[in-house]
Amino acid sequence: QKEVEQDPGPLSVPEGAIVSLNCTYSNSAFQYFMWYRQYSRKGPELLMYTYSSGNKEDGRFTAQVDKSSKYISLFIRDSQPSDSATYLCAMSSNDMRFGAGTRLTVKP
Amino acid sequence: DAGVTQSPTHLIKTRGQHVTLRCSPISGHKSVSWYQQVLGQGPQFIFQYYEKEERGRGNFPDRFSARQFPNYSSELNVNALLLGDSALYLCASSPGTLNQPQHFGDGTRLSIL
Repeated sequence: QKEVEQDPGPLSVPEGAIVSLNCTYSNSAFQYFMWYRQYSRKGPELLMYTYSSGNKEDGRFTAQVDKSSKYISLFIRDSQPSDSATYLCAMSSNDMRFGAGTRLTVKP
Repeated sequence: DAGVTQSPTHLIKTRGQHVTLRCSPISGHKSVSWYQQVLGQGPQFIFQYYEKEERGRGNFPDRFSARQFPNYSSELNVNALLLGDSALYLCASSPGTLNQPQHFGDGTRLSIL
């Protein structure tokens, strides 16, 4: 079992849809949780950074962390074609672990 | 403000050769981390350097080494290249330790023939 599990998709949604992306993890030592967006041939871009369980909102993005269930989510509201990218979850304790990434396509 | 810069952007090497990749962090950031990203997978942690000292190491062989310079820039060295070393090598910087938000460069794409 991988330490961080993320459904690779691909996920295709119409413009304006709400997108839900999820990761599960097995290592309870993880304390910091991040979501990155990666466009083709580019480096990952930090979207959200959270520490505690609960919700964090930034514009159209909401990150949720449930440490008791070892489950994190990213919600994208009013999705746009420009949101089409690979979304990576990441978490850290002594080192950083990434999920495999979910490839998202938002169709006009 | 300039982000994390990496050089070169692309590199082609043959098996057995040695390669050096370079990274300049965001101004004011003292920590640099290196990652390997194979196509279709998430980045895998290789090293973290903070204040010129190694602070973390992932599960990579000793063929991989790195260092950080007084200006906080960093080099990743890989010896005796194997076909399996073909990947995108990413550098990330953060103000301090690994648990602070990391900001990535666009990587060096290394191809081994």
